[in-house]
Amino acid sequence: EIVLTQSPGTLSLSPGERATLSCRASQSVSSTYLAWYQQKPGQAPRLLIYGASSRATGIPDRFSGSGSGTDFTLTISRLEPEDFAVYYCQQYGSSLSITFGQGTRLEIK
Amino acid sequence: QVTLRESGPALVKPTQTLTLTCTFSGFSLSTSGMCVSWIRQPPGKALEWLARIDWDDDKYYSTSLKTRLTISKDTSKNQVVLTMTNMDAVDTATYYCARNLPPSSGYYGFDYWGQGTLVTVSS
Repeated sequence: EIVLTQSPGTLSLSPGERATLSCRASQSVSSTYLAWYQQKPGQAPRLLIYGASSRATGIPDRFSGSGSGTDFTLTISRLEPEDFAVYYCQQYGSSLSITFGQGTRLEIK
Repeated sequence: QVTLRESGPALVKPTQTLTLTCTFSGFSLSTSGMCVSWIRQPPGKALEWLARIDWDDDKYYSTSLKTRLTISKDTSKNQVVLTMTNMDAVDTATYYCARNLPPSSGYYGFDYWGQGTLVTVSS
């Protein structure tokens, strides 16, 4: 099973700043099968990025994804107040192995 | 407009069997390529994928939980049902159903989610 490790665990930033979230896999992941989600308290996760770099429908262009192999990044170019939430990466591997990272909490500084 | 909604008991006793229903609209599980998954999240913890059912009735399960899970569908009712046997306190979680990105897209992810239902396991 592929383990996804997200860092940092908590990121404290101010609105208007740039956020960089990391997701590292224990073995190589196809970029096609790497996704990012945003989750706010009391809500279901929302798909942000699929295929490592494609934005889902309705997602603002301040969100971008990049990376390949074992290292992937979610970048929020200029933080808006509504962006403070928990972010998860997720991968799909062989034999329908699907795992999520433990999450990065993005909090207001 | 795609929507999903989970329903089931809020409280189950240890050793009991949990049955959850996902009722969806805006798509059909008889359409080629459509899939629905169940995912859970213990309070304050990360997400865990549990099971998936496809339009052609193929079924897939988490390796660690496969002996306890059964997923099924009722296409006429637009419902997917998950059963989990031998419930334990560690199974306390919010259970979500979610639609998979169509495999034909070439990608993998969950594009629509229900609001989740909290299941507590306690005697």
